[in-house]
Amino acid sequence: NAGVTQTPKFRVLKTGQSMTLLCAQDMNHEYMYWYRQDPGMGLRLIHYSVGEGTTAKGEVPDGYNVSRLKKQNFLLGLESAAPSQTSVYFCASSFGLSSNEQFFGPGTRLTVL
Amino acid sequence: AQSVTQLDSQVPVFEEAPVELRCNYSSSVSVYLFWYVQYPNQGLQLLLKYLSGSTLVKGINGFEAEFNKSQTSFHLRKPSVHISDTAEYFCAVSSGGSQGNLIFGKGTKLSVKP
Repeated sequence: NAGVTQTPKFRVLKTGQSMTLLCAQDMNHEYMYWYRQDPGMGLRLIHYSVGEGTTAKGEVPDGYNVSRLKKQNFLLGLESAAPSQTSVYFCASSFGLSSNEQFFGPGTRLTVL
Repeated sequence: AQSVTQLDSQVPVFEEAPVELRCNYSSSVSVYLFWYVQYPNQGLQLLLKYLSGSTLVKGINGFEAEFNKSQTSFHLRKPSVHISDTAEYFCAVSSGGSQGNLIFGKGTKLSVKP
C-alpha cells in the first residue's frame, strides 16, 4: 500500500516551459487536492476534485490546470511556467471532505528559472 | 470566511521540556480542527483532530490539544518533548459540508535542542 505518490520529486524549468505533475493514490479515495507550500505561507489549495471527471478551483488556481480522468490519478499542469510558481507542491487525498483526514504525498520541489 | 492564526512562527525548546503551540481560528459556523506535522523533506501527516465531543483530544506521539470554543483556540501541547519532535506543525480548520476544504495556518517550527 503506497498511499499517495507524486512524480517527479524534483524539477527545474525555464520560464515559459510547461510540465505536468502526477499524483496517484491507491486508497480508493474520492477526493484529491493540490497544494503549494511557500516559506512562511503554510499550504494553499490550488485545485481539488470531488470525484472522477470533476475538478474545482481552490484559493490560488491561476496559472494551473488539473485533470482527473481516473479516480486514482490527479494531474496538475503548468502551461507556461513563471518564477512565481517556484514552490513545493503537495498532493493529498481523502475519503470525504471536511471531517476526513487528508493523506499527503511526499511533495515535488519545482524551481522555475 | 475562515482563517487560522498560528501565533508563533518558531518555538525553540530544550529536550524533555513541555511545549505549547498556539492556534486561533475564526469562523462563523461550527468547525472541525486539525493539527498536522511535517518532518524535514516529507509530506504532512495527521497528529490529531477535533470533530465533536470531548474538548481534549489525544493524538499520536504523546501530543494532545484542547478545543476552546469561547476563545476560538485549539492549542497543541506535549508534556515532554524529544529531539525527534523537531518538525513544522500546522493547524488547520474546516467548516464542513461541500465547501469544507482545509484552511491551513502558516506553521510553527518546533526546534528541540539537547
